[in-house]
This record gives sequence, C-alpha cells and structure tokens, in this order.
Amino acid sequence: QSVLTQPPSVSGAPGQRVTISCTGSISNIGAGYDVHWYQQLPGIAPKLLIYGNTNRPSGVPDRFSASKSDTSASLTITGLQAEDEADYYCQSYDMNLGGVFGSGTKVTV
Amino acid sequence: EVQLVETGGGLVQPGGSLRLSCAASGFSVSDTYMSWVRQAPGKGLEWVSVIYTGGNSHSADSLEGRFTISRDSSKNILYLQMNSLRAEDTAIYYCCRGHKVIASFYFDYWGQGALVSVSS
Repeated sequence: QSVLTQPPSVSGAPGQRVTISCTGSISNIGAGYDVHWYQQLPGIAPKLLIYGNTNRPSGVPDRFSASKSDTSASLTITGLQAEDEADYYCQSYDMNLGGVFGSGTKVTV
Repeated sequence: EVQLVETGGGLVQPGGSLRLSCAASGFSVSDTYMSWVRQAPGKGLEWVSVIYTGGNSHSADSLEGRFTISRDSSKNILYLQMNSLRAEDTAIYYCCRGHKVIASFYFDYWGQGALVSVSS
C-alpha cells in the first residue's frame, strides 16, 4: 500500500492534455515536503522528470509541468505524444517513513 | 559523465544474505545522498535506504532492520547488505544518486538495476 495515491491509469489521444494526481497526507506533502516526478519507460530505469514540485531538469520537454497544493500534487502532460506512453511516479518525504513513492500511473496514448 | 553500475544480484534462498554493490563514476558517493530503490516484478517503486553525506543512514521501517546501506569513499562504491531475505524481497534494486532540497530529496541518476530473486 503506497503512502502516496495515484490513479492506476490515464489515457489520451495524441495532442491532448492529461493530468496525474498524487494524493498524500499531513505527514508528507501536507507537511511541506517537496514532490518530485519520474517517468519509467517499459523495461528501463526511471528518469527524473520534475524536481522540487515544479522544476524540469535540463532536457525534459516543457510539455511536462507540475504543481503542488495542500496535501496533493499533480503532473500535467500537454500535447501528448506517443513517446509519453510510460509509467509515472510521484515521490516525496514522509516525516515518519522517510522516502515515499506514489503507487504509479500508466499513461496510454 | 555520471554513471551508476550495480552488481551482485542473483538467486538466493529464503533466509540467505546478499550484498549489492554500486560503482559510481563522474562524482563522489560521499559528496551527495545515495539511495537504493527497489521494484518488485510488475509493481511500483519502493524506497529502501538512504545514506547522507555525513555518513548517517535511514532505511524503510518495513525492512525491520534486515538491510544496511554503506559506502566506501576510497573505491567510490555504494553497498546494500541484505540479510534474512524473504520471497517478498524479490525485486530489481536500483542505485540512485540523491539530491537534497530544502524539504525532501530526489534522485537525478539511476543505475540500470540489479535483479535479486529469493526462492528455494
């Protein structure tokens, strides 16, 4: 049972916008800890997509954006492309548990 | 160029031990947070352990003290000693370079992963 809850799957047509939610609690996101996002393509290691709630590492397309509010966060993909089909995970810190990941969301294009 | 290469995975019997190694290049493992993250077959990511720059470490409570993270700064290698292994420890284990932010840490580089299978 993941501490951070994500929808199991979301889908969209090419060019559409999809949003993935990440719901936590007062001991993690709600306590002020930052949220980070990772993309995992089939069969390979995850890749950092967003750090510090809203920041994109160099090389990540600007169609990926994220936000955080209260006890939750969200990742938005604008202008969905076939290559975005992957699993996406949010990650934060919990004052009782340490590092925590979301349950993961499969994006289907 | 930053690289992380895990070795030491394999098949082990329940109750056995295994030590994973992660050879780092392009940076020093003692200059940043380092972590292990695992992924059971077909499942999501699970944070395992972190070792801080000062040498202190923290592991997931769910591991019940069976796993120990450590590093050898002279060799630039991160380790994960896993004892009393159980079937539910079967997973790909990723070595990750961590970055501390004001409130949390994140992982900017990941190794390719090492598969650990616990079975009789």
